[in-house]
Amino acid sequence: GQNIDQPTEMTATEGAIVQINCTYQTSGFNGLFWYQQHAGEAPTFLSYNVLDGLEEKGRFSSFLSRSKGYSYLLLKELQMKDSASYLCAVRDSNYQLIWGAGTKLIIKP
Amino acid sequence: ETGVTQTPRHLVMGMTNKKSLKCEQHLGHNAMYWYKQSAKKPLELMFVYSLEERVENNSVPSRFSPECPNSSHLFLHLHTLQPEDSALYLCASSQDGQDSGNTIYFGEGSWLTVV
Repeated sequence: GQNIDQPTEMTATEGAIVQINCTYQTSGFNGLFWYQQHAGEAPTFLSYNVLDGLEEKGRFSSFLSRSKGYSYLLLKELQMKDSASYLCAVRDSNYQLIWGAGTKLIIKP
Repeated sequence: ETGVTQTPRHLVMGMTNKKSLKCEQHLGHNAMYWYKQSAKKPLELMFVYSLEERVENNSVPSRFSPECPNSSHLFLHLHTLQPEDSALYLCASSQDGQDSGNTIYFGEGSWLTVV
């Protein structure tokens, strides 16, 4: 079967750096997405990786290793507003999105 | 504002009621989706419409009935629901096609409680 694994919950301190990991086993691979979802709000697009390597976008970076079935989302200079759930999703060979259960990130002052 | 609007935001209904969720997208996309989001579970894809035709129904119970009158509007008709159907229902849209980078955009969801 197809599976996306990410930690259920993480805690970090304001101003610090946190890395949220995502591992996947899917039938084929056509890209990996990260979404941010604040409580009670819509998931919003953060990043997309289809080739190996690091994609940087301001304080957020996303890394992909297709051979390892692994990605991470790196958040730098954490702010209280970064408290949210972070969803990892992989597009499989049928171009269907397979979703992880999300990682709830708690930022403490 | 994501360009995808859902109403109502909150809905409480009895098991014998009939209600509908509405979704409208202002992004010019040609595909629309209904997802179910339950606590600590992955998003569950319920229905996909591409060019107003249903292309996927992931074994969703018949008490959920989708309707897509045009490429901008999507409904989810609800009847004789069960308490385990209580969840957040998310509508989404995208530009369909064999481009793996096509991003999907979500509405803010409709919180459904079945009593």
